[in-house]
Amino acid sequence: AQKITQTQPGMFVQEKEAVTLDCTYDTSDPSYGLFWYKQPSSGEMIFLIYQGSYDQQNATEGRYSLNFQKARKSANLVISASQLGDSAMYFCAMRESDTGFQKLVFGTGTRLLVSP
Amino acid sequence: EAGVTQSPTHLIKTRGQQATLRCSPISGHTSVYWYQQALGLGLQFLLWYDEGEERNRGNFPPRFSGRQFPNYSSELNVNALELEDSALYLCASSRSSGDYGYTFGSGTRLTVV
Repeated sequence: AQKITQTQPGMFVQEKEAVTLDCTYDTSDPSYGLFWYKQPSSGEMIFLIYQGSYDQQNATEGRYSLNFQKARKSANLVISASQLGDSAMYFCAMRESDTGFQKLVFGTGTRLLVSP
Repeated sequence: EAGVTQSPTHLIKTRGQQATLRCSPISGHTSVYWYQQALGLGLQFLLWYDEGEERNRGNFPPRFSGRQFPNYSSELNVNALELEDSALYLCASSRSSGDYGYTFGSGTRLTVV
């Protein structure tokens, strides 16, 4: 079963507008972590934001915020005031710890294009 | 603080050969993770090393192997290379097996011809 689902292969947004990238997840582990990474064309995975399953508040990091809806098992990334440099692939990932094995499971990604 | 460093940046090998990829974690990080990203696809978990031991491996054949050295750097070996092994190989490190602070390197792009 797909653990992380990103249903938007591509998204377009105009500079200075906000954009939401969707991510849903599936787990039976009560303790888990959710991550968003940005991958520019250079290939490096850049950490953006983290949300723990027990965190009471939605995570925020500068222009990035995570809309965490635990009951719906969704963890959407919101980028406010988009910039041209935000054009990249964005991956949602989950860390499970139910077996003691710490690894990240990634979604298939969303390509974001920011236009002037 | 130096980030996760991977070498080489690019590697071109012939089918059937062996490839060795290297990763140096951030100072103080003891866990190293290897991921494969084939063109246009998401990241697939390959291997996880912590404190010199292999802790978990993904659904890859045994010709994918590696090790972690006493200084926590790691090596990924791919034997009997096949064309479909062509991919970006990313290494990540974290402070301990329980820490969520994964930091990725820039990757090694392996091309098998």
